[in-house]
Amino acid sequence: SQQGEEDPQALSIQEGENATMNCSYKTSINNLQWYRQNSGRGLVHLILIRSNEREKHSGRLRVTLDTSKKSSSLLITASRAADTASYFCATSPGGGSRLTFGEGTQLTVNP
Amino acid sequence: NAGVTQTPKFQVLKTGQSMTLQCAQDMNHEYMSWYRQDPGMGLRLIHYSVGAGITDQGEVPNGYNVSRSTTEDFPLRLLSAAPSQTSVYFCASSSQPPYNSPLHFGNGTRLTVT
Repeated sequence: SQQGEEDPQALSIQEGENATMNCSYKTSINNLQWYRQNSGRGLVHLILIRSNEREKHSGRLRVTLDTSKKSSSLLITASRAADTASYFCATSPGGGSRLTFGEGTQLTVNP
Repeated sequence: NAGVTQTPKFQVLKTGQSMTLQCAQDMNHEYMSWYRQDPGMGLRLIHYSVGAGITDQGEVPNGYNVSRSTTEDFPLRLLSAAPSQTSVYFCASSSQPPYNSPLHFGNGTRLTVT
């Protein structure tokens, strides 16, 4: 079964709006990562947030982590059509070499 | 810098045929993984390696073999292809254990088994 689950499964917004995607996970983690996948391409790493961090920023991306609720959110501000992609959270239960991905959120940004 | 290179990009097999999906990275990464991606199921880990000569099973290893004779290469072998193995396969590498380091992905191999 999947460790991480994204919500919503699909999100459609207008350019300039903010997009928020959520990830819930089941077991304790060391870190949580977010990835983006453009259609027909491999995944690209966006952000890694450690379990002792509550918030992290990278450009227009803001990631929060609430370990008490076992959840994380990815906020994309001032979205652009180029942000259209699938977004995945990934965790490694117990640390180590197995990184487990959720099913992803498909974001569509309309021009 | 090529990063992670996967070949072929597309492949069609008949049931029962065997083939090898190639993966090579030029970043001197110790950690390499194979995932399959199916609609509605996200990415599932098939096999992974923590260094040359060391491999281990992931979530869905049945029907696949791997070996890691060099740091650079991590081929995935389908022993006897089945329609259930129709999927997109991704290879990834990282410099540290994946829980603590970004994965670098190839662009995938789209496999169809008829």
